[in-house]
Amino acid sequence: GNSVTQMEGPVTLSEEAFLTINCTYTATGYPSLFWYVQYPGEGLQLLLKATKADDKGSNKGFEATYRKETTSFHLEKGSVQVSDSAVYFCALKKTAGNKLTFGGGTRVLVKP
Amino acid sequence: DVKVTQSSRYLVKRTGEKVFLECVQDMDHENMFWYRQDPGLGLRLIYFSYDVKMKEKGDIPEGYSVSREKKERFSLILESASTNQTSMYLCASSLLQGARGNTIYFGEGSWLTVV
Repeated sequence: GNSVTQMEGPVTLSEEAFLTINCTYTATGYPSLFWYVQYPGEGLQLLLKATKADDKGSNKGFEATYRKETTSFHLEKGSVQVSDSAVYFCALKKTAGNKLTFGGGTRVLVKP
Repeated sequence: DVKVTQSSRYLVKRTGEKVFLECVQDMDHENMFWYRQDPGLGLRLIYFSYDVKMKEKGDIPEGYSVSREKKERFSLILESASTNQTSMYLCASSLLQGARGNTIYFGEGSWLTVV
């Protein structure tokens, strides 16, 4: 079946540090890949997505590239801010369906 | 903007009670979903619906049922609440089934504690 594995947190960083959250997936076919973010006390918001191999999704300074050869979709940001403190979820969705399969989530804490 | 509204943010219920969690979306989406979120487990799909009166089991349907009488509303029902159903419940919706890359929109979540 489909599965998503992401690094466990919490990840604690200082402001302006570089952030990487690893995400790898197992799926048949060609899934679409997503990063969602959950700020404290809120629901999930779509951060970025990629629908085919070598696509790069980007938003709010975050980037992730769909790497089919390594089945990965790592999230990166060059300079984090305190406001980036949140839980980040990697997810996949197969073409023939709309169900998302989520990773376990990675909590990120950015300190001033 | 798409809005997915969950009626209750925080609930405390007793073991054995029947619990209703309500969700409404305002964008005429065909698909609606109920997930539960637990630390370290991410989000797990309980049920989803792709049309009025249609439903399909997700990964963890045991102990839950759903109702979709109107397109905009999707209810999650705990027939007899148990303490292991203490969790954060998230409702979501999206457009047509099968379209690549369709965004799924989430509500703010309902924190349920069963005592």
